[in-house]
Amino acid sequence: GQQVMQIPQYQHVQEGEDFTTYCNSSTTLSNIQWYKQRPGGHPVFLIQLVKSGEVKKQKRLTFQFGEAKKNSSLHITATQTTDVGTYFCAERNAGGTSYGKLTFGQGTILTVHP
Amino acid sequence: DAGVIQSPRHEVTEMGQEVTLRCKPISGHDYLFWYRQTMMRGLELLIYFNNNVPIDDSGMPEDRFSAKMPNASFSTLKIQPSEPRDSAVYFCASSLWTDGELFFGEGSRLTVL
Repeated sequence: GQQVMQIPQYQHVQEGEDFTTYCNSSTTLSNIQWYKQRPGGHPVFLIQLVKSGEVKKQKRLTFQFGEAKKNSSLHITATQTTDVGTYFCAERNAGGTSYGKLTFGQGTILTVHP
Repeated sequence: DAGVIQSPRHEVTEMGQEVTLRCKPISGHDYLFWYRQTMMRGLELLIYFNNNVPIDDSGMPEDRFSAKMPNASFSTLKIQPSEPRDSAVYFCASSLWTDGELFFGEGSRLTVL
């Protein structure tokens, strides 16, 4: 079935450094959603990208969807300790027999050293 | 709205016992999802429902797992008999639309001894 591969698995940064996580698929994605899970918490929705080449920003976070809709990235500028957590990308099936199905990537665990 | 409500938050049980996890989705949401999270396997989709009907249960590990949604405001995930490898955090989530965001509950942490 559809799988999104996410890299890196872990990322350790010094506070103030930038961070990027990547999501890749061998097939065209209907859309990409990004979630953040704080340690001990539950996944929380960040954003959804639908259009080819789409770029969206939320303060220090920049989300991109590739032109071919096969990859996506999340970039955090000048990380802060509050950015600690696991970042997941996920694809939501827009049609077919499994319409509405949301499949997560493996996630990138971000730690930030103050 | 109170959000997605799961119970129990924590459960410790012995191998062979029956476990029932409960979920109340956000009112008006048409989709309900059950996920399992472990360090080794990440976030796995077990089953999801649309308008109380199971759409895809291909992620349910085996016959020991079953899920029901008798009405729009309640779902259960049952494991019988439980095994130590079932130890995980089980999340319930709901969604309003086919392509919308998911809202997750706080999760139920299950430990099977």
